[in-house]
Amino acid sequence: DAGVTQSPTHLIKTRGQQVTLRCSPKSGHDTVSWYQQALGQGPQFIFQYYEEEERQRGNFPDRFSGHQFPNYSSELNVNALLLGDSALYLCASSLEGFTEAFFGQGTRLTVV
Amino acid sequence: DAKTTQPPSMDCAEGRAANLPCNHSTISGNEYVYWYRQIHSQGPQYIIHGLKNNETNEMASLIITEDRKSSTLILPHATLRDTAVYYCIVSIIQGAQKLVFGQGTRLTINP
Repeated sequence: DAGVTQSPTHLIKTRGQQVTLRCSPKSGHDTVSWYQQALGQGPQFIFQYYEEEERQRGNFPDRFSGHQFPNYSSELNVNALLLGDSALYLCASSLEGFTEAFFGQGTRLTVV
Repeated sequence: DAKTTQPPSMDCAEGRAANLPCNHSTISGNEYVYWYRQIHSQGPQYIIHGLKNNETNEMASLIITEDRKSSTLILPHATLRDTAVYYCIVSIIQGAQKLVFGQGTRLTINP
């Protein structure tokens, strides 16, 4: 079992550009959550997808959007990038009705 | 905002038990206590969770006070590989569960 995989591992973008990050959940998991972790801080919840719908959202602007595909994989899109969007973006998968979340290694996004 | 309070840092000698405290005085009846840890440059890793009874697994033990307002994570025989940031989180157990991370405790295991 490959666990949660995220791509790419590192990314450098320019202010104003758009970025798409990808996540493949652990085999059999149907729920995907995205987190943003700034340097020296704990991860902050962005949103969660279940059955291809956004089920819950944290305090992030509409520039942050996502999608979940029928195979449960997910994408995180960020438009009009700001320098402050530089962070580690973590994807976590879980199975509805079960308790623990499994995290990927993250995508390190740098906005210059 | 995180509903938990943890000391920012702790040290422990290798081979000793590491006891990490957490205060969660506003925990609701349907919320569980979860512990995750994050080793440098990796994603967080689940350790253990509990409701009101003490729990033990292959990684750690979780002691929850009777009033559920605080808990302690115990790593019985700490190794250098246990050096990490440890997060105590309270959350519902099912459905639209989201994990609200605080600053965590940076645990350093010393040789």
